[in-house]
Amino acid sequence: QVQLVQSGAEVKKPGASVKVSCKASGYTFTSYGISWVRQAPGQGLEWMGWISAYNGNTNYAQKLQGRVTMTTDTSTSTAYMELRSLRSDDTAVYYCARVLSGWYLIDYWGQGTLVTVSS
Amino acid sequence: EIVLTQSPGTLSLSPGERATLSCRASQSVSSSYLAWYQQKPGQAPRLLIYGASSRATGIPDRFSGSGSGTDFTLTISRLEPEDFAVYYCQQYGSSPWTFGPGTKVDIK
Repeated sequence: QVQLVQSGAEVKKPGASVKVSCKASGYTFTSYGISWVRQAPGQGLEWMGWISAYNGNTNYAQKLQGRVTMTTDTSTSTAYMELRSLRSDDTAVYYCARVLSGWYLIDYWGQGTLVTVSS
Repeated sequence: EIVLTQSPGTLSLSPGERATLSCRASQSVSSSYLAWYQQKPGQAPRLLIYGASSRATGIPDRFSGSGSGTDFTLTISRLEPEDFAVYYCQQYGSSPWTFGPGTKVDIK
């Protein structure tokens, strides 16, 4: 079965960087994309961007351009999301999710990783 | 950017009742690339409906989606206890992909 297992919770200081991992199993990693979505405490869902696991093409949300980098390691079927220059309003649960290539539909989600930014 | 608006913000109903949730887009959603997700507290979202009206694998047939263009609806024909949750619509037809603010379905 499709599984996306994310790395554990992180606590970071303002200005620092965080890198969250997402290990995929149960499907052919390079046949799909990975999207990252975050959810601030008590708030809705915010799309952060997408990466093709096939060729590494990316599409980032404009508000995060320059601060976010999404990568994949096809040898380990793992996706990564790095967010730099962290601010307190980056405190959120970060989800990775599988994306159907060509359709851009998110169909499976990881369990989420809480990133807390606090001085 | 396509802005999605969901109504109502909260829907208070009893088990067995019918729930009708609305999602309105600020511009036409390409090829009805509109999805609905269910999220329970402390859990990741789960895909219910894609392409505006197609049920995802394993989703009970009490869930149905309809609509096109700018107006979409999620209907739960008879609420089961496990259906009380927050529901989000999302468009994936044009970048940036966007989510609605959600509708909370709670127990009356």
